[in-house]
Amino acid sequence: AQSVTQPDIHITVSEGASLELRCNYSYGATPYLFWYVQSPGQGLQLLLKYFSGDTLVQGIKGFEAEFKRSQSSFNLRKPSVHWSDAAEYFCAVGVRTGGYQKVTFGTGTKLQVIP
Amino acid sequence: EAQVTQNPRYLITVTGKKLTVTCSQNMNHEYMSWYRQDPGLGLRQIYYSMNVEVTDKGDVPEGYKVSRKEKRNFPLILESPSPNQTSLYFCASSSGQGPYSYEQYFGPGTRLTVT
Repeated sequence: AQSVTQPDIHITVSEGASLELRCNYSYGATPYLFWYVQSPGQGLQLLLKYFSGDTLVQGIKGFEAEFKRSQSSFNLRKPSVHWSDAAEYFCAVGVRTGGYQKVTFGTGTKLQVIP
Repeated sequence: EAQVTQNPRYLITVTGKKLTVTCSQNMNHEYMSWYRQDPGLGLRQIYYSMNVEVTDKGDVPEGYKVSRKEKRNFPLILESPSPNQTSLYFCASSSGQGPYSYEQYFGPGTRLTVT
């Protein structure tokens, strides 16, 4: 079964600093890859996705992510963090298994932004 | 506006009292899922549905039931809730079109407390 690992439970960055959130997956083939953001008290919003092609994908709110097949990683980055980016971020992997399109989520990384 | 709605948003109940959480989407999506979110565990799938009258168990189905009588609705039923079902619940939907079937649209969540 596929698995998704987000090794950082909690990250603190200063406003204006760069950000990288890590995501590794375990699956034999290249899955479809997603990053979602959950602001406090809110549902999950899609930030960006990778289906195929260019391994550097751009998303909303100035985020980008890079798919590295050799490392089975899909890390999320932002060059300059804003206070409004404080939220929890989830990496997700989509694969077809047992005739069904299954999506598996990581355990999340909570981002704190300090002035 | 394309959206997934859930009701109620907050619910406090007692052990053993049957309850239903409703979920509705207006995007004509084929796939719908229920997840529960618990601290440190991320999102875990409870049940999913590939279309009307087609449902199947996810990773943590014990204690839950679902039905899909109409394409837009996918209610979650707890026939005899227990305290270990205290959690944040999300309904999600996705289209049946290729890789977009993995791209989940989430409702705002239902915070359930069982005492």
